Amino acid sequence: EAGVTQFPSHSVIEKGQTVTLRCDPISGHDNLYWYRRVMGKEIKFLLHFVKESKQDESGMPNNRFLAERTGGTYSTLKVQPAELEDSGVYFCASSLTNSPLHFGNGTRLTVT
Amino acid sequence: GQNIDQPTEMTATEGAIVQINCTYQTSGFNGLFWYQQHAGEAPTFLSYNVLDGLEEKGRFSSFLSRSKGYSYLLLKELQMKDSASYLCAAYSGAGSYQLTFGKGTKLSVIP
Repeated sequence: EAGVTQFPSHSVIEKGQTVTLRCDPISGHDNLYWYRRVMGKEIKFLLHFVKESKQDESGMPNNRFLAERTGGTYSTLKVQPAELEDSGVYFCASSLTNSPLHFGNGTRLTVT
Repeated sequence: GQNIDQPTEMTATEGAIVQINCTYQTSGFNGLFWYQQHAGEAPTFLSYNVLDGLEEKGRFSSFLSRSKGYSYLLLKELQMKDSASYLCAAYSGAGSYQLTFGKGTKLSVIP
C-alpha cells in the first residue's frame, strides 16, 4: 500500500511569491489533514478535510493560505503571497474514520 | 486549548530501557497518541491510548492516566535504530480529529 505522498519535498521561494504544495493521501482515506512545523516549535494543526469538504480549518493562520481538495482525492495548499514566517515543514496526513493518522514526509518550505 | 509537555532530549544505552514522559493539560481530551519521527521522515504511528492503563506492543509500551493528565512511552531492549524523535499528541475528539502535539523528545541511543 502506497503511503501519503507529498510534492515537492523541498521548496525555496522569495517573499511575495506563490507556492502550491500537493498531497496524495492513502487510497480510500476520506480524512485528510494539513499540519505545519515551524523552526523550534511543535507540529500544529492547520485543517481537516472529510472527502472534499472542510471539516475544520481553525488552524489556518490567515487568508494567505488556501487549501482545496477537489473531488475528494488529492489536496493542495497554496500560500500567496508567501512571507518569511511561513517557512517550515508542511505535513499532510490521512486516515480512515476513527483511525490513526498516517503522515507524509512533509514539504520543507523556505521563504527568503 | 491544550498544552503538551515532554522532555526535549534523552540519551540511553543500547539494550537498556527508557521511559519518555508526557503531561498534558486540555480543555477536551479523548485519547493520547505516540509517534516516532526520524530526521527528515514522516511521523509514524506507535500507539494510541484512550483508557487508563498500559498498552503493550512488542518492545514498545504506552501508559495513560487520564486523572493525572500523564502518559509515558516505554522502549525496551533499545536498538540503535530507535534513535529518533518521539512525539506525544493529544486528541480532542471534538468533531474534528485534530491532534495537538508536544515538541517531541529527541532520543539518542548510544553503544
